Amino acid sequence: GEDVEQSLFLSVREGDSSVINCTYTDSSSTYLYWYKQEPGAGLQLLTYIFSNMDMKQDQRLTVLLNKKDKHLSLRIADTQTGDSAIYFCAEPMGPYTDKLIFGTGTRLQVFP
Amino acid sequence: NAGVTQTPKFRILKIGQSMTLQCAQDMNHNYMYWYRQDPGMGLKLIYYSVGAGITDKGEVPNGYNVSRSTTEDFPLRLELAAPSQTSVYFCASSYAEGGTNEKLFFGSGTQLSVL
Repeated sequence: GEDVEQSLFLSVREGDSSVINCTYTDSSSTYLYWYKQEPGAGLQLLTYIFSNMDMKQDQRLTVLLNKKDKHLSLRIADTQTGDSAIYFCAEPMGPYTDKLIFGTGTRLQVFP
Repeated sequence: NAGVTQTPKFRILKIGQSMTLQCAQDMNHNYMYWYRQDPGMGLKLIYYSVGAGITDKGEVPNGYNVSRSTTEDFPLRLELAAPSQTSVYFCASSYAEGGTNEKLFFGSGTQLSVL
């Protein structure tokens, strides 16, 4: 089976940049996703990137995709305390499928 | 919009009891899913449905059952609760065409403990 791997914890100071990394396994994935889970809540789609792109920027968020290394990263510029959450990367279970495989999640803690 | 609504939010069961986790969405989504979330393990797909009357197993279906009699509702049934089913359960829905999917909407979760 496929495994999507992430480091479990990241701690950053408010105002710094955060970089959350993810390694996925299926090179045929068409889209790759980042979801955010705030305490006591379900996951919300944060952003996604199409597999033919290397980078996608959306305000404070930058997604980088290295298909050769199957590496996905999420950079949050000017990290705020409201960014404290668990961040999951996800990829489809296979081509042309709706089902997602989620990583283990990275807990981002932002301190003042 | 209510989005995806799950009930209950918390439940404690004794071993061997049964219960149904309710999930409803009001977005006319065709796809619905049940995931469980265990600490440090990410989310695992239990069951999913691509439309009313159609259900299929995910990665970890054992010990669970689902039904999809309407587009809106996708209940998850635990028949004989076991401690291994202690987890946080998330229902999700999406609108998908042609097998591709851009966005899952999640409920707020049900925290279940089996003692």
